[in-house]
Amino acid sequence: SQTIHQWPATLVQPVGSPLSLECTVEGTSNPNLYWYRQAAGRGLQLLFYSVGIGQISSEVPQNLSASRPQDRQFILSSKKLLLSDSGFYLCAWKDTAGGKLFFGSGTQLSVL
Amino acid sequence: SQQGEEDPQALSIQEGENATMNCSYKTSINNLQWYRQNSGRGLVHLILIRSNEREKHSGRLRVTLDTSKKSSSLLITASRAADTASYFCATYTGTASKLTFGTGTRLQVTL
Repeated sequence: SQTIHQWPATLVQPVGSPLSLECTVEGTSNPNLYWYRQAAGRGLQLLFYSVGIGQISSEVPQNLSASRPQDRQFILSSKKLLLSDSGFYLCAWKDTAGGKLFFGSGTQLSVL
Repeated sequence: SQQGEEDPQALSIQEGENATMNCSYKTSINNLQWYRQNSGRGLVHLILIRSNEREKHSGRLRVTLDTSKKSSSLLITASRAADTASYFCATYTGTASKLTFGTGTRLQVTL
């Protein structure tokens, strides 16, 4: 069966520090991968999605970037965090046959 | 920008009552999905309804879709305290890969 791993669960970082969040998927090949961000009590904002290795689509211009170095690995990065980068970050993969997404457990990022 | 807008933003009901949430979207769709999110957790897929379907059932869930009005509703019958969560509708916009979520309805079910 397929599983998705996302870590860390919580992260507190100072303004201006770098960021690296990692997401890996097991049990499937060539999935579509997604990064979403959710502000407290709000909906989900699509940040990046990837349909294959090295293929990244950016939805929101900001100081975040994403990379997909391997088929089942998706990384969200920043060189210098801003206060506005605080939020709940969710990774997901897509079941291409059915179209539904499967989500990781999320990372709560607080930038102080 | 959000493709979907849920209504109401928040809903509080007692256990045993039915809960109805509505979703409106802007562009034409192939399907519409509903997800649930418990506080501080990832989203879980509940149900998918295709554009050529008008109604779909899954357990205590009933979803309707009206493509002429660009709207969908999620009905949870005989609600339980464990149904307390946020519920989101989602549609693919632009490409078959870009899934956009609505603003969500926060459901509180009290004993």
